[in-house]
Amino acid sequence: RKEVEQDPGPFNVPEGATVAFNCTYSNSASQSFFWYRQDCRKEPKLLMSVYSSGNEDGRFTAQLNRASQYISLLIRDSKLSDSATYLCVVKPTGNQFYFGTGTSLTVIP
Amino acid sequence: NAGVTQTPKFQVLKTGQSMTLQCAQDMNHNSMYWYRQDPGMGLRLIYYSASEGTTDKGEVPNGYNVSRLNKREFSLRLESAAPSQTSVYFCASSEDNIYGYTFGSGTRLTVV
Repeated sequence: RKEVEQDPGPFNVPEGATVAFNCTYSNSASQSFFWYRQDCRKEPKLLMSVYSSGNEDGRFTAQLNRASQYISLLIRDSKLSDSATYLCVVKPTGNQFYFGTGTSLTVIP
Repeated sequence: NAGVTQTPKFQVLKTGQSMTLQCAQDMNHNSMYWYRQDPGMGLRLIYYSASEGTTDKGEVPNGYNVSRLNKREFSLRLESAAPSQTSVYFCASSEDNIYGYTFGSGTRLTVV
C-alpha cells in the first residue's frame, strides 16, 4: 500500500468555483502534513502546512482528519492562476517525507 | 537570492556514461535530499542526508551514489547510466524536517 494516495484528477473547474482535493495516508503515526503546488515543468513549492485544528490562508483551507487518515485542501473563488498540480506530503516518524502523485487542476475562463 | 541551486538543468547521456548532479543550498539547512519525479509515480526519494557527514538510502537508491561534501553541498552520482534513470531530478533542503522542503529547479536527464 502506498504511503500517500491522491486522486490524480484532472479537475477542470470554471473561474470562481470552489474545489476540494483529498489525500489519504497509511501511517497513523504521521506527524507533519503539507500541501505543495507544482506548475508545469517547475519545482514543487510549499503552499501551506496542515495543522491538526485546520488552517486557512486566504482562499485556501487545509484540514486534517486523523481518525480517517486524510488531509484536504479547499480552494475558494478559483483563479486562472490556481491551475497547477497539487501535491500532498506526509511525514511519518523518521526523516523521510512521502509525496502523493499529485492532483491536476485547470481553472477555465 | 537564497535557495537551492542545481546544475545542470538539462543533460543527455548515453547508456553506461557517468555523471554527477550538483546541488548547493545557502539557507544553512541541516537536511538535504535527492528525489526523482516520473509521470504517474510522483516524487520518490533516492538518498538523503540528515546532517553533514551522514547519508541514508531512500526508496529508490539503486544505481546512485551521493556525497555530502559540506553543509551546503549534496551531490548525486550516476556511475553507469541506464535508460530507466531518465527522469527529472530534484534536490531539496529542509530545516530539521519540520517546515517542509525548499526545492531546486530540477535537472532533466535523458539516457539514450
